[in-house]
Amino acid sequence: AQTVTQSQPEMSVQEAETVTLSCTYDTSESDYYLFWYKQPPSRQMILVIRQEAYKQQNATENRFSVNFQKAAKSFSLKISDSQLGDAAMYFCAYTYGGATNKLIFGTGTLLAVQP
Amino acid sequence: ETGVTQSPTHLIKTRGQQVTLRCSSQSGHNTVSWYQQALGQGPQFIFQYYREEENGRGNFPPRFSGLQFPNYSSELNVNALELDDSALYLCASSLLGGEQFFGPGTRLTVL
Repeated sequence: AQTVTQSQPEMSVQEAETVTLSCTYDTSESDYYLFWYKQPPSRQMILVIRQEAYKQQNATENRFSVNFQKAAKSFSLKISDSQLGDAAMYFCAYTYGGATNKLIFGTGTLLAVQP
Repeated sequence: ETGVTQSPTHLIKTRGQQVTLRCSSQSGHNTVSWYQQALGQGPQFIFQYYREEENGRGNFPPRFSGLQFPNYSSELNVNALELDDSALYLCASSLLGGEQFFGPGTRLTVL
């Protein structure tokens, strides 16, 4: 069964500092996609970054980058130069594609940014 | 370009009642997926509709049903509501197999 685990229910970071959110997953598929989504209090799920498993290079989007370790089935998110607007719930998600491309989510990490 | 919208924003029902939630997909998208997000949990896949047909289903009972219309908007229907159905219901629209774009959700409370 495919599962996604986020072991940090809450994290806190000072404004302008760097924070890393952890995620591990389990799958028997060789080709799949991993995502980090942000869910602010407005509830709308926003895609932060995605990683294709066949790509060795770690994805980067501005201040957001990932550390993808395929053998260890680990997919962490690094947020650099944290801003107050980064405060939100962050979900790690996985899909292998298939007929539905359904997303399997972790339980989330609530990130607080301290001024 | 209009994003994904959902209605209503909030809803309160009592046990045993039936509810219908609505989702308008983003322009150009032909696929709608529905997710249930219980408090403190990540979203769980309910089912997906592609071109008006169900295209896959998660581990939810048959009292969760859906529809997709020719304009690709969608409805989620839940019959015989239970207390555990209280959750945020998210829909996401996409092209088949493509990136999913989420709506703001409908908060359902079952008393």
